[in-house]
Amino acid sequence: ETGVTQTPRHLVMGMTNKKSLKCEQHLGHNAMYWYKQSAKKPLELMFVYNFKEQTENNSVPSRFSPECPNSSHLFLHLHTLQPEDSALYLCASSFRGRSSYNSPLHFGNGTRLTVT
Amino acid sequence: TQLLEQSPQFLSIQEGENLTVYCNSSSVFSSLQWYRQEPGEGPVLLVTVVTGGEVKKLKRLTFQFGDARKDSSLHITAAQPGDTGLYLCAGTNAGGTSYGKLTFGQGTILTVHP
Repeated sequence: ETGVTQTPRHLVMGMTNKKSLKCEQHLGHNAMYWYKQSAKKPLELMFVYNFKEQTENNSVPSRFSPECPNSSHLFLHLHTLQPEDSALYLCASSFRGRSSYNSPLHFGNGTRLTVT
Repeated sequence: TQLLEQSPQFLSIQEGENLTVYCNSSSVFSSLQWYRQEPGEGPVLLVTVVTGGEVKKLKRLTFQFGDARKDSSLHITAAQPGDTGLYLCAGTNAGGTSYGKLTFGQGTILTVHP
């Protein structure tokens, strides 16, 4: 039990489909993140939410749409994806603030996404 | 843009051998975190080093933060098959607009053969 739960674990979708990834954390953290993990590349930060307000969007294409209804839940809505978007999508949470800038990230086990 | 270079990218060794993974940057970080990721799982924090020159030990793993806080190393003594995984370093910025942002290295895939 990691404290951060992601569903589904695996997802195969066509380029015209619409799907959503879900993330839930039970650690009382105030910040949640979406990362993309591709082979041979560093983890890429996509979005950051702090107290359910989006504080960072790292030039992510609009076909990825995040939603954070509260501090415990985070979604990533997907539509008209491309094959190059196939990757492991990791959700993470942490404490974030001036006194906690070293706080580690707690990751979920990810959603393995394949776009056909 | 801050970058962290990890080396080597791949490491394949026999059980009982020692190894060192390096994490280098031209930028200064306020702290450095090391994570391990096993297949099918997310990264899990191993350690955070904060002070320049700091050394931390976690059983057979020894972590060091460079004096100038630009580099770090992970040394594993007498590696075991259970050490197999992807090792990631991540640096934290403490100031400016990148406050609290983590920069990840590209990772080192370690395989320890029985």
